[in-house]
Amino acid sequence: GESVGLHLPTLSVQEGDNSIINCAYSNSASDYFIWYKQESGKGPQFIIDIRSNMDKRQGQRVTVLLNKTVKHLSLQIAATQPGDSAVYFCAENGKGGGADGLTFGKGTHLIIQP
Amino acid sequence: DTAVSQTPKYLVTQMGNDKSIKCEQNLGHDTMYWYKQDSKKFLKIMFSYNNKELIINETVPNRFSPKSPDKAHLNLHINSLELGDSAVYFCASGGWNYGYTFGSGTRLTVV
Repeated sequence: GESVGLHLPTLSVQEGDNSIINCAYSNSASDYFIWYKQESGKGPQFIIDIRSNMDKRQGQRVTVLLNKTVKHLSLQIAATQPGDSAVYFCAENGKGGGADGLTFGKGTHLIIQP
Repeated sequence: DTAVSQTPKYLVTQMGNDKSIKCEQNLGHDTMYWYKQDSKKFLKIMFSYNNKELIINETVPNRFSPKSPDKAHLNLHINSLELGDSAVYFCASGGWNYGYTFGSGTRLTVV
């Protein structure tokens, strides 16, 4: 079946550096993508989203890039802080509406080293 | 106010028991969901309810039965619990237009 996946299960970066988390998706009908952050013992927390009519969207210290040609999504976190340590998931909604839920990737554990 | 709240946060029970997890959202969303997160952190949708009507029922054993008394509540009842049901269960609400908001999860441990 079609799925959303992540390239790296663990990413370790120095505090203050920028980090990039990548995601590949295979459902060409996907038109809504979300990045979630999950801290230990908590639920997924919304970070940023992007719809298929865009290729870049920026938030506070975060940027999401969407490349529909190669079905690739990335999350860039600028000037990482200790509080950024968490598991990051990309997720997609493939049918453009209705009551469809999200298909999640496997998650990347981001570790911020002091 | 917590947007999506679920109870209990932890649930430890013996095999064969029946248990329920409750979920409530105050966001006014029409659609609510249940997701299961396994030991490898993989999140997978189980059910989707839109305005009290079941929309999605993924390949989930029929021991799992969602119940939605109104569009702000979606409870998950599990019969005859098995060891493999141990996981973290997340309730969520929202959709393509509003985004999706998740609860804090219920860690179910079957012993």
